[in-house]
This record gives sequence, C-alpha cells and structure tokens, in this order.
Amino acid sequence: KNEVEQSPQNLTAQEGEFITINCSYSVGISALHWLQQHPGGGIVSLFMLSSGKKKHGRLIATINIQEKHSSLHITASHPRDSAVYICAVSRNSGGSNYKLTFGKGTLLTVNP
Amino acid sequence: DTGVSQNPRHKITKRGQNVTFRCDPISEHNRLYWYRQTLGQGPEFLTYFQNEAQLEKSRLLSDRFSAERPKGSFSTLEIQRTEQGDSAMYLCASSLGFPIPPNFGPGTRLTVL
Repeated sequence: KNEVEQSPQNLTAQEGEFITINCSYSVGISALHWLQQHPGGGIVSLFMLSSGKKKHGRLIATINIQEKHSSLHITASHPRDSAVYICAVSRNSGGSNYKLTFGKGTLLTVNP
Repeated sequence: DTGVSQNPRHKITKRGQNVTFRCDPISEHNRLYWYRQTLGQGPEFLTYFQNEAQLEKSRLLSDRFSAERPKGSFSTLEIQRTEQGDSAMYLCASSLGFPIPPNFGPGTRLTVL
C-alpha cells in the first residue's frame, strides 16, 4: 500500500462545477503539499499545510491530522484548471523537509 | 524569470550511453532535490543536497547514477550506461527550507532507445 493515496485517479467535470480531490496518508508528517502539474512536466506548489484550512482564490485545501486526510477543493471550475493535482507529504523536520513522498496524482479535465 | 531551470529539457539517447542533466536552483536556495517521475506515477525522491553536501540518497539511485553540487549552486545528475528503464522525467527542486514551499524546475525528459 502506498504511503500517500489519492482519489479519484481521473476526474472529468463541467465548467462551473465544484471539485473535490482527496488524499489519505499513512505516516506521520510535518506538512502536506498540494501541487499542480501541467502537461510538459512543470510542477507548481499550490498549498503547504500542517493543520486546518488554507484558501487561495478558487482553491481551498483542508487537512485533518487525526484522520490523516486532506482535501483539495476547486470552486467554479474552469477549463484552465485542467491539470494533474498531486498530494505529497513531508515526513521530517529540519533540513530534509522536502524529501517528499508523492501520491500518483489526479488528472482533472474540466470541459467547457 | 529567476525560477529553477533545468537543461536540457529533452534528451533522447541510445541504451548504454551516458547522459548528464543540469539544474540551476534559485540563487539563494541552499537546499536542492532531485526526483524521478515515470509515466502515470508521482515523482520519487532520488537525492538531496544542502549546499554542496549530498546528505541523502535513495535506494533508487543505483551505482550508475551520480549527482554533484560542486559549489553549492548548480547541480548535475549523471546516468552512466543508460537502460530503457531509466526513461523518465527528472525533476529538480530547490528551497530555503521549512516553512517555505519548494520551487520545482520544468524537468528533463529522458528517453532511452
């Protein structure tokens, strides 16, 4: 079993829909990251959180440390949100914080 | 643009050849990470530098792989005697450290024929 599991693996939505991507992890963490990867490879950090909730524009990330679960929500989805969304965890504090363990990603396609 | 850069962006090579990739991190970032991503999978950790010191290496990094960061700035990742299984996207990331999130480069896509 992978240490970081994401669901769903693929998600197709219509423009304007509310989207939720889930992430569960099985290890102790110092932080959880949500990242976005577009075709061609570039990865962009969206959120890094260790508790509670963060919001940036139409994106909201929540984490429940006790349940080892995080969700990424996209409100009023748009075709430009189409990308792979990846959940990753940092397991150590100190220097190697970003030895990240990644989930396999969720491919989101938003149709106009 | 002063983000993380990687060169080349694409590399096609024949099995058995050696290849070298370069990563230029954001200038003030002292931490540098290499990851490998195969099709349909999330990235996997390869190795980590703090300044010029290589502090951690994954078991994925066989003896055909070597990474350096000679002056604590740019880093190189060399693969000797490439195999078809080495075909992947090689990603570099840099950071100042917690709590600032890492910055990722665009990756180098390696195809071994």
